[in-house]
Amino acid sequence: GENVEQHPSTLSVQEGDSAVIKCTYSDSASNYFPWYKQELGKRPQLIIDIRSNVGEKKDQRIAVTLNKTAKHFSLHITETQPEDSAVYFCAGLTGNQFYFGTGTSLTVIP
Amino acid sequence: SQTIHQWPATLVQPVGSPLSLECTVEGTSNPNLYWYRQAAGRGLQLLFYSVGIGQISSEVPQNLSASRPQDRQFILSSKKLLLSDSGFYLCAWGQGLRETQYFGPGTRLLVL
Repeated sequence: GENVEQHPSTLSVQEGDSAVIKCTYSDSASNYFPWYKQELGKRPQLIIDIRSNVGEKKDQRIAVTLNKTAKHFSLHITETQPEDSAVYFCAGLTGNQFYFGTGTSLTVIP
Repeated sequence: SQTIHQWPATLVQPVGSPLSLECTVEGTSNPNLYWYRQAAGRGLQLLFYSVGIGQISSEVPQNLSASRPQDRQFILSSKKLLLSDSGFYLCAWGQGLRETQYFGPGTRLLVL
């Protein structure tokens, strides 16, 4: 089955700086890669996603890039704000199943 | 629009007691439904998924079971809870094989 690895597990940045979280996957059949943001005690919320026929997608301060050859994808958050502090999960879809990374705890320091 | 409900929101149960968590989805038909468990500070572990009524796929051996008695209802059960069953249980739905999953509000279970 698929194996999704996520790095780093924790990340601290100064407000206004950029944050980058990377994920790798093992199954070349994976074709859809969402990113979720989970605030403390709440459900994961989809923030951006990318399909395997696209290399990059951007939504305001958030962007995701996909390198199918290298089997990795990354989340980029620019101009970080304190409210960006949360745990971020990547995932890969293979068949019916989503395989999640282990999460990155992002702290934005004011 | 689609809405996903889970209840109860929190639950404290003694070891050895039974469990029933319910998830329902509104505003869609024939969704794929999923149960995940999230241990404190950890990632999401897929427990079960269902592509239709009565169709359940299990991902990990455990003392939990799932059922889908209706198209938009997904139930997670156990006959006897273990301490290790404590965690945050999330139900999710997706429309079709290539669609995003959306999570319910979750049930926080503490087994003592």
